Amino acid sequence: AQKITQTQPGMFVQEKEAVTLDCTYDTSDPSYGLFWYKQPSSGEMIFLIYQGSYDQQNATEGRYSLNFQKARKSANLVISASQLGDSAMYFCAMSLNTGFQKLVFGTGTRLLVSP
Amino acid sequence: DSGVTQTPKHLITATGQRVTLRCSPRSGDLSVYWYQQSLDQGLQFLIQYYNGEERAKGNILERFSAQQFPDLHSELNLSSLELGDSALYFCASSVRASGSNEQFFGPGTRLTVL
Repeated sequence: AQKITQTQPGMFVQEKEAVTLDCTYDTSDPSYGLFWYKQPSSGEMIFLIYQGSYDQQNATEGRYSLNFQKARKSANLVISASQLGDSAMYFCAMSLNTGFQKLVFGTGTRLLVSP
Repeated sequence: DSGVTQTPKHLITATGQRVTLRCSPRSGDLSVYWYQQSLDQGLQFLIQYYNGEERAKGNILERFSAQQFPDLHSELNLSSLELGDSALYFCASSVRASGSNEQFFGPGTRLTVL
């Protein structure tokens, strides 16, 4: 079975600094995808970034990058140059490439960006 | 805006009642997923439909049911509601039924059972 672990319930960062949100995963399937979603206080889930298990390079999307370390089964999200609007809950999730594509989510990390 | 719409945004009802949550996927997306987000259970997959057919079931209670219509919109029916059913219910859509591809989430329906 798939499992996602996010060990940081909360993180603080100052505006303009970089922050890393940790995510480890567990699966015996070699083919999978890893995702990060942002949930602001308004409640919607916003897709941020995706990394496939066979991708050779770390994914990047603007200020977001995914530090993918396959051997360690980690998929940390790095947010560069934090902004006040980055304050939100962040969820790591995975799905398998075989079979059905349900997302399995971690418990989330609440990020607070201070001025 | 993800392109996925959900109605209603908020729903307040009493125990024992039945409600229907509605979702319209992004244009072109054939796959619809329902998730429940509650304080004690976190985000949990409930059920997936692809082009009108049920494809996968997760932790969905027997009191809950869903369907996807020919125009691809989906409805989640929750009956005999209990206090513990209070949660944020998300619908998500994607192009394919399987394989890794990003799911785009709607704004959610916040259900409060009193």
